[in-house]
Amino acid sequence: RKEVEQDPGPFNVPEGATVAFNCTYSNSASQSFFWYRQDCRKEPKLLMSVYSSGNEDGRFTAQLNRASQYISLLIRDSKLSDSATYLCVVNPAGTASKLTFGTGTRLQVTL
Amino acid sequence: NAGVTQTPKFQVLKTGQSMTLQCAQDMNHNSMYWYRQDPGMGLRLIYYSASEGTTDKGEVPNGYNVSRLNKREFSLRLESAAPSQTSVYFCASSEMDRNSPLHFGNGTRLTVT
Repeated sequence: RKEVEQDPGPFNVPEGATVAFNCTYSNSASQSFFWYRQDCRKEPKLLMSVYSSGNEDGRFTAQLNRASQYISLLIRDSKLSDSATYLCVVNPAGTASKLTFGTGTRLQVTL
Repeated sequence: NAGVTQTPKFQVLKTGQSMTLQCAQDMNHNSMYWYRQDPGMGLRLIYYSASEGTTDKGEVPNGYNVSRLNKREFSLRLESAAPSQTSVYFCASSEMDRNSPLHFGNGTRLTVT
């Protein structure tokens, strides 16, 4: 089993739709979790950290389910500009040198 | 407000040639990292430097060397390039090597023929 698994997509959704991605991780001792966004041929950029109680940033909501070992990202009212690849990142050991990146889920928002 | 700056943006090498990828950050971060990104695979850590004066191997260090020149700069060297090193390379930095988010440079696309 991969350490971090994501559905590669693509998820094709119309503007205004709500879309959710899940990411599963194998190490139950993982300590921190992040979602990064990567546009085509660009560098990854931090979208949001994922906290145990769940957290929201505008149209984006991140959740952590430790029992089932997954994190999720919900995007409400999708915009064309949300089209990107979303990388799930898990830190099993508390040090950034151990960060494990998923291969990403591609989102395409259409008119 | 440059953040993390990488050079060059693109490079083509012949097998056996050497080159150095440069990286500098202006955020006063302690930790710096080199990753490679290949199609269908997540970012993989090549080498990192948790703090000035230290460097350590990551997941895929073979064929690479690094130098943490000072707090700002962290370079990656390919001594004898191989086609398997064709990839996109990202430098990143973080405030500390614990639970801090990474800030990435805009990448170097390297092709080895």
